[in-house]
Amino acid sequence: GAVVSQHPSRVICKSGTSVKIECRSLDFQATTMFWYRQFPKQSLMLMATSNEGSKATYEQGVEKDKFLINHASLTLSTLTVTSAHPEDSSFYICSAKDILREKLFFGSGTQLSVL
Amino acid sequence: KQEVTQIPAALSVPEGENLVLNCSFTDSAIYNLQWFRQDPGKGLTSLLLIQSSQREQTSGRLNASLDKSSGRSTLYIAASQPGDSATYLCAVSQAGTALIFGKGTTLSVSS
Repeated sequence: GAVVSQHPSRVICKSGTSVKIECRSLDFQATTMFWYRQFPKQSLMLMATSNEGSKATYEQGVEKDKFLINHASLTLSTLTVTSAHPEDSSFYICSAKDILREKLFFGSGTQLSVL
Repeated sequence: KQEVTQIPAALSVPEGENLVLNCSFTDSAIYNLQWFRQDPGKGLTSLLLIQSSQREQTSGRLNASLDKSSGRSTLYIAASQPGDSATYLCAVSQAGTALIFGKGTTLSVSS
């Protein structure tokens, strides 16, 4: 079956540093990938839609300069949390859309803790 | 703006019980509806996907129904087991793009 690989699964960093999260579709091409954020006991909230070869579309309230998204190939999208602060601590999860099967597949998520 | 609500927020049952989780959505113009399972600190496992033209889907002990006109879906779990303990998320898709999630129902099944 289709697999979406997301790394790292857990990261702890100091306030002010930047963290990069990778989302990779292993056996299908994904022109579109989505990034979600989930705070404890809350629902997953869409942060941005990443389209291969073009700029990401950010949801209202999500700072594009803080959450940098790069979708340089059909199998890889990255989310970089720049100058991370404790309030950025959250569970980040990506999903990739298989254009052939018209299905969404999810990564296993990244738990970010900013000290 | 589409909103997805799940009731109850938490549920505790003894092993063997049949149970129903509820999901409602405000905009009936959906492309499909999915039920997911999420274990603590983990990603999502897709359980059932119902297209907007379908009424229900079944997989093993799970049955999901969809009433698009009333904006409701239910997930029925038969003969619950401790291994079913997890958070169950309902999500709708509009125009086949990003999903809009509910807050989930946290299920605890005791042995």
